[in-house]
Amino acid sequence: DQQVKQNSPSLSVQEGRISILNCDYTNSMFDYFLWYKKYPAEGPTFLISISSIKDKNEDGRFTVFLNKSAKHLSLHIVPSQPGDSAVYFCAASGDNNNDMRFGAGTRLTVKP
Amino acid sequence: DAMVIQNPRYQVTQFGKPVTLSCSQTLNHNVMYWYQQKSSQAPKLLFHYYDKDFNNEADTPDNFQSRRPNTSFCFLDIRSPGLGDAAMYLCATSKGTSGRKRETQYFGPGTRLLVL
Repeated sequence: DQQVKQNSPSLSVQEGRISILNCDYTNSMFDYFLWYKKYPAEGPTFLISISSIKDKNEDGRFTVFLNKSAKHLSLHIVPSQPGDSAVYFCAASGDNNNDMRFGAGTRLTVKP
Repeated sequence: DAMVIQNPRYQVTQFGKPVTLSCSQTLNHNVMYWYQQKSSQAPKLLFHYYDKDFNNEADTPDNFQSRRPNTSFCFLDIRSPGLGDAAMYLCATSKGTSGRKRETQYFGPGTRLLVL
C-alpha cells in the first residue's frame, strides 16, 4: 500500500520561476512530514520538515505547506535555480521514525 | 565530515549467490535503517536497528537478513538473491533520542545491486 504519493514523476521550470512539488498521503496517523532532496550518485539529504500543528514552514527559498484536511502537502521553491535540479522525495511519519514512508519522488529540472 | 558510507557503490552477484552489502557511519547514531528502492519507486524500509535491537518490517522477505556488530557498522545479507532483488539499497541513520520522534534520517549514497 502506497501511503505517500507523488503523482508527478517530473517537473520542469525556468530559472527564477516558482517550483511547486506536490505530495498526498492517506494515513491520518501521520503527523510529521519531510522533504528530502537527492542528487545523482548521492543519498537523499534532508531539506525541510513540518509538523501537523503547523500549516506552513519556511526556510529561505523553500516553503512547505500542509493541508491536513486534504492530506496534502507541497514544497515551493522560489526563485528556482539550476542547482535545485534533483529528485525530491516527500516523507511522512507517525509515532516514530519506524513509521516513516516515502513517496516515489519527483524529478525537478530547472532550466537556465 | 561525519557521514554514512556504503560500499561498494555497485555490486554484481549471480542468481542465488549470497551477497552482503555494508554500511558504516561516523555520526555515532543509535539507529540504522536499510531501505530497498526499485526503479521509479519509493524507498521501502526493510528493517532497522535501534542500538542492538533488530526490528523487521512485516513484509520483508526472509531472504533478507541484517547484522550490526557494533554502533558504526551494519550489514545487509541477501541469502539467495533473485532477479527481483535488483535494486538500490540505501542505508540511513538517525540519532535515536527524544523517543525517536521527528528525527531526521541521514542517508548513505546507496549500493546498486545487479543480479545476473
